[in-house]
Amino acid sequence: EVQLVESGGGLVQPGGSLRLSCAASGFTFSSYWMSWVRQAPGKGLEWVANIKQDGSEKYYVDSVKGRFTISRDNAKNSLYLQMNSLRAEDTAVYYCARLVAVAGTLSYWGQGTLVTVSS
Amino acid sequence: QSALTQPASVSGSPGQSITISCTGTSSDVGGYNYVSWYQQHPGKAPKLMIYEVSNRPSGVSNRFSGSKSGNTASLTISGLQAEDEADYYCSSYTSSSTNVVFGGGTKLTVL
Repeated sequence: EVQLVESGGGLVQPGGSLRLSCAASGFTFSSYWMSWVRQAPGKGLEWVANIKQDGSEKYYVDSVKGRFTISRDNAKNSLYLQMNSLRAEDTAVYYCARLVAVAGTLSYWGQGTLVTVSS
Repeated sequence: QSALTQPASVSGSPGQSITISCTGTSSDVGGYNYVSWYQQHPGKAPKLMIYEVSNRPSGVSNRFSGSKSGNTASLTISGLQAEDEADYYCSSYTSSSTNVVFGGGTKLTVL
């Protein structure tokens, strides 16, 4: 059974940093692109970042470029999102998801972790 | 990046059929047969219901079907049931580096 479990969310002040983790199991993690998607309270889904199987390609939504870094450790079956210079508008539930890159299909999702940016 | 356009809400009675539209451009919906649909119940993670326009993952009811014409994709739910009440999001592969673009979401109410 495919499982994705996020952790690392919490309350952080504007300008602060946070690192999210996503532990994957039930599939060969190193064979798949992975994504982070976020959802602000009461709002829709917003794609945040993608990373290729070996980490050699990374893509970001414009609003997080230069502030967020997606990475992975295939030996640990783990996906990460380092978030720096956080803003109030980054407040959201962050989901990790397995991506079928050629089709843009997010086939499995974690349960999400809440990031709140507030003073 | 622009989101795909979905109606904010749709409703239907149990047993009826409803259709949710998802309009994009030739750079996303119209250009590729890579439209997906996700169901999200309150407080839960999204769940893939349709991929590549009309394919259902294993375990998804055949009451859910997808189609596409030009720049508009559609999700049809037949034989509406109470448990179908949820938010539905479309997404499409896009030729831009974002790779994935979402619709704004549609709230389905089962009357």
